[in-house]
Amino acid sequence: GDSVTQMEGPVTLSEEAFLTINCTYTATGYPSLFWYVQYPGEGLQLLLKATKADDKGSNKGFEATYRKETTSFHLEKGSVQVSDSAVYFCALSDWETSGSRLTFGEGTQLTVNP
Amino acid sequence: EAGVAQSPRYKIIEKRQSVAFWCNPISGHATLYWYQQILGQGPKLLIQFQNNGVVDDSQLPKDRFSAERLKGVDSTLKIQPAKLEDSAVYLCASSPVPSTSGGARVDTQYFGPGTRLTVL
Repeated sequence: GDSVTQMEGPVTLSEEAFLTINCTYTATGYPSLFWYVQYPGEGLQLLLKATKADDKGSNKGFEATYRKETTSFHLEKGSVQVSDSAVYFCALSDWETSGSRLTFGEGTQLTVNP
Repeated sequence: EAGVAQSPRYKIIEKRQSVAFWCNPISGHATLYWYQQILGQGPKLLIQFQNNGVVDDSQLPKDRFSAERLKGVDSTLKIQPAKLEDSAVYLCASSPVPSTSGGARVDTQYFGPGTRLTVL
């Protein structure tokens, strides 16, 4: 079945550091890929998405590129801020095999220190 | 635009008791989802409704969990009786009619704040 693997956390960075959170996936079909963010005490918010190979999703300075050859969708940001501290989830939906169900990774806790 | 509403935000019960959670999706969203998020894990789909019909309940523990969406709008998820391992955050999400992007059908889900359940 479909699955998502994220790099283990927690990740602790200083403000303005470069961020990479790795995400790889396994899917039978041709999935859409997502990054969701969960701030403390809040629900999941869609951060960005990509629906086909080589698509780049971007939002709020975050980027991720859909790499079919490496089955990856790594999240990057050039300069993190304290306000980026949150849990980040990589997810996929594989319409052909499981409809619109989202399959999530385990999540990566990011803490940014001033 | 109002987001997905859920209540209560927190609930503490003892094992073998019953509990119910309520969700009101974004207006006009036909599809509604319930996810279970155990501490330290990603959310897992329990059940998906399209209007008031069930689309996917393959991961719902039907011996103790039930859900309904009678009028195709708000929904209730019930656990009866609760077990210790049901302690989790229960997330409700909704989505509009799927869009098509680059030939792919994309269903963007919008999540509520969740209900944190503690079973003692």
